[in-house]
Amino acid sequence: SQKIEQNSEALNIQEGKTATLTCNYTNYSPAYLQWYRQDPGRGPVFLLLIRENEKEKRKERLKVTFDTTLKQSLFHITASQPADSATYLCALGVNRDDKIIFGKGTRLHILP
Amino acid sequence: DAGVIQSPRHEVTEMGQEVTLRCKPISGHNSLFWYRQTMMRGLELLIYFNNNVPIDDSGMPEDRFSAKMPNASFSTLKIQPSEPRDSAVYFCASSWGALTWNIQYFGAGTRLSVL
Repeated sequence: SQKIEQNSEALNIQEGKTATLTCNYTNYSPAYLQWYRQDPGRGPVFLLLIRENEKEKRKERLKVTFDTTLKQSLFHITASQPADSATYLCALGVNRDDKIIFGKGTRLHILP
Repeated sequence: DAGVIQSPRHEVTEMGQEVTLRCKPISGHNSLFWYRQTMMRGLELLIYFNNNVPIDDSGMPEDRFSAKMPNASFSTLKIQPSEPRDSAVYFCASSWGALTWNIQYFGAGTRLSVL
């Protein structure tokens, strides 16, 4: 069956270091992958989209990689700050117009 | 723009009662999505509309759930009758365009508790 896996345990990172979150998937051939940020009591907020033919995407301190051979995406936050503490969700779409499927998210704590 | 507006923010009801959740998408967006989020199952897509027409309702758990979009600025998700296992946070999201990979803007959610 199709599966999206993100680290279920919280990730604790020291302020200033790079935080790396993982999204693994099985039995998918996604056309794209998105990353969202969710704060407690709020809806997810879109961060980045990467397409299957792209290896890497950057936006300010954020970087996403997409390895379709490993069936994995890595999400990096460089020079992390306590304000980056949140839950981060990855989401896959098999086609451009097919429904998007979310992982359960990884909670990130940036320690001051 | 105020963003996606959902009401109510919190709803507590008793088993068997009808529950109606409301959503106002961002003006100009023509796709609308309803999601349910629980600890066990994460964020699940229930149904999405494009130009007020339901495109995919395969995520709707059962006949007790129904959704409507009578116009471009309003949608409802109804549960009748409600059951304790329906307790979750329900999110509405909207986007521009028909492709689901377009950026989705989420509302703040409705936390539903069915006793």
